[in-house]
Amino acid sequence: EIVMTQSPATLSVSPGERATLSCRASQSVSSNLAWYQQKPGQAPRLLIYGASTRATGIPARFSGSGSGTEFTLTISSLQSEDFAVYYCQQYNNWLDTFGQGTKLEIK
Amino acid sequence: QVQLVQSGAEVKKPGASVKVSCKASGYTFTSYGISWVRQAPGQGLEWMGWISAYNGNTNYAQKLQGRVTMTTDTSTSTAYMELRSLRSDDTAVYYCARGVEMATTTLGYWGQGTLVTVSS
Repeated sequence: EIVMTQSPATLSVSPGERATLSCRASQSVSSNLAWYQQKPGQAPRLLIYGASTRATGIPARFSGSGSGTEFTLTISSLQSEDFAVYYCQQYNNWLDTFGQGTKLEIK
Repeated sequence: QVQLVQSGAEVKKPGASVKVSCKASGYTFTSYGISWVRQAPGQGLEWMGWISAYNGNTNYAQKLQGRVTMTTDTSTSTAYMELRSLRSDDTAVYYCARGVEMATTTLGYWGQGTLVTVSS
């Protein structure tokens, strides 16, 4: 099983600032990496897939980068609605796994 | 528009089985697979498995092998997830989801979730 490790577990950032979230895979997943946002009581929302492709309707302030084992989700200027939990997911081998999540909270 | 509508909440005793349904609409059902993801209270997302709605091929998380079965009914565009020998740590919200692209599990469409509570 490919283990996905996200860091940090919690990130405190002020509105308007930049947030950088990391995700590491225990072995290469090529670019088969997605990012999701989840708010309390809601289903996850797909933000990024293919490591860097924004899903339909996702604002340009969200960007993804990386390949192989190291990935980054960057939110360029945080809005109030961006404070949530973020998960990465690898889908490289039809045995997907999620990271444990990063909680993005207001500083 | 793509919609995935799941069955209602369930309460089960330890050792029992549960079967959750996921009715799809707004697209050609057999063109996309369905994934199942669960989330225990206050915990993260756990991928459970995937089924091709085209040919019924499945992939299951190793942890659940032998206890989970995913099926589809193409006549009603419905996917099912059955989990047997339930334990208290199976208490979770269970989601079905569909990829944004064919033959991938980039989960852009989600059901509303079904709470399964396992308690004696």
